Amino acid sequence: EPEVTQTPSHQVTQMGQEVILRCVPISNHLYFYWYRQILGQKVEFLVSFYNNEISEKSEIFDDQFSVERPDGSNFTLKIRSTKLEDSAMYFCASSATSGVETQYFGPGTRLLVL
Amino acid sequence: GQQLNQSPQSMFIQEGEDVSMNCTSSSIFNTWLWYKQDPGEGPVLLIALYKAGELTSNGRLTAQFGITRKDSFLNISASIPSEVGIYFCAGLGGAQKLVFGQGTRLTINP
Repeated sequence: EPEVTQTPSHQVTQMGQEVILRCVPISNHLYFYWYRQILGQKVEFLVSFYNNEISEKSEIFDDQFSVERPDGSNFTLKIRSTKLEDSAMYFCASSATSGVETQYFGPGTRLLVL
Repeated sequence: GQQLNQSPQSMFIQEGEDVSMNCTSSSIFNTWLWYKQDPGEGPVLLIALYKAGELTSNGRLTAQFGITRKDSFLNISASIPSEVGIYFCAGLGGAQKLVFGQGTRLTINP
């Protein structure tokens, strides 16, 4: 069964450093998403992406964050200058279409900012 | 913003017991989803509900989309130990944005 994959599974970085989290969505999906989950809390929406542009973003997704689909298979989340509070699990998700179609989640990248 | 209130926060049950959890909101959602999350992993979709009043089963799991479109419940019958984990409801808020509940942590004693 097709699945969303993410790399790396864990990343430790120093505060102020840039990180890039990578995702390979399900191959025939067109809508891509990033969510984050701070330890012990609920999953929060960050951004959705379609047709090579951001279609919706939350207040969490400030100027430090950016997303990109550099080729036909990868979808990346970049955090330009990490802060301690960016430590969280970051989940990529994809869906075939928008609206009523369900989103399928990857296994996540655990980011720890020291 | 849109929020989901999920209850209970945690449940401690014996193997074989039935489980019931629910989510409510002051906002209308067009789609309700139920996910299960194991430690250190991503949410895995259990059941998707698309129409108000819809009742859907997936094995021993049953979920319903409330008629007002502001609530949903998930039932698990005759629970087994592998069903421990955190269960999240999620509503499709904006066109693409999923809004998650706080989760129900299920512990099952064998």
